[in-house]
Amino acid sequence: AQSVSQHNHHVILSEAASLELGCNYSYGGTVNLFWYVQYPGQHLQLLLKYFSGDPLVKGIKGFEAEFIKSKFSFNLRKPSVQWSDTAEYFCAVTVETGRRALTFGSGTRLQVQP
Amino acid sequence: DARVTQTPRHKVTEMGQEVTMRCQPILGHNTVFWYRQTMMQGLELLAYFRNRAPLDDSGMPKDRFSAEMPDATLATLKIQPSEPRDSAVYFCASGLVLERNSNQPQHFGDGTRLSIL
Repeated sequence: AQSVSQHNHHVILSEAASLELGCNYSYGGTVNLFWYVQYPGQHLQLLLKYFSGDPLVKGIKGFEAEFIKSKFSFNLRKPSVQWSDTAEYFCAVTVETGRRALTFGSGTRLQVQP
Repeated sequence: DARVTQTPRHKVTEMGQEVTMRCQPILGHNTVFWYRQTMMQGLELLAYFRNRAPLDDSGMPKDRFSAEMPDATLATLKIQPSEPRDSAVYFCASGLVLERNSNQPQHFGDGTRLSIL
């Protein structure tokens, strides 16, 4: 079965700092990869997704992620964070066969200080 | 924008009571998922339906949880009897899964925050 690891559990940054959140998955076949964001008390919102093609994908709010197949990674980046980016970020994967449900990482809580 | 609608948003009840959570998926989506979010376990899949048929409910405690889709516009998750350990946020998500691939993201509802006393 597939799994997702997010190694950064809690990240604290100052505004304008650059962000990179790590995500690694384990699955030998074709995957679809996602980053979701959850603002305090709210539902999960899709930031970006990768299905195929260009491994560098751009999402909403200035976020981007790069799929590196050889490293089984899908790290999330943003060149300059804002206080409003304070939230929890979840990496998730679906596989092409079998269950189509999302398998989530444990999440990374990002705190941006003004 | 089309949205997944969940009711109620909050529910507080005593242990032993029946709890029913409802979800209205986005029109045209053929797959509905129920996830549970807790501090300890994170986000975990409870059940999911394709074209109203249950495909996977292995994440659900069978003795007390049940999930149904009486029609294409309504999915329900029921807990009977409820226990304090069921306290969590329950999210419903819907998506369009095509025959050969799953290249449509899931859209989440606002969740039901359940507290069992």
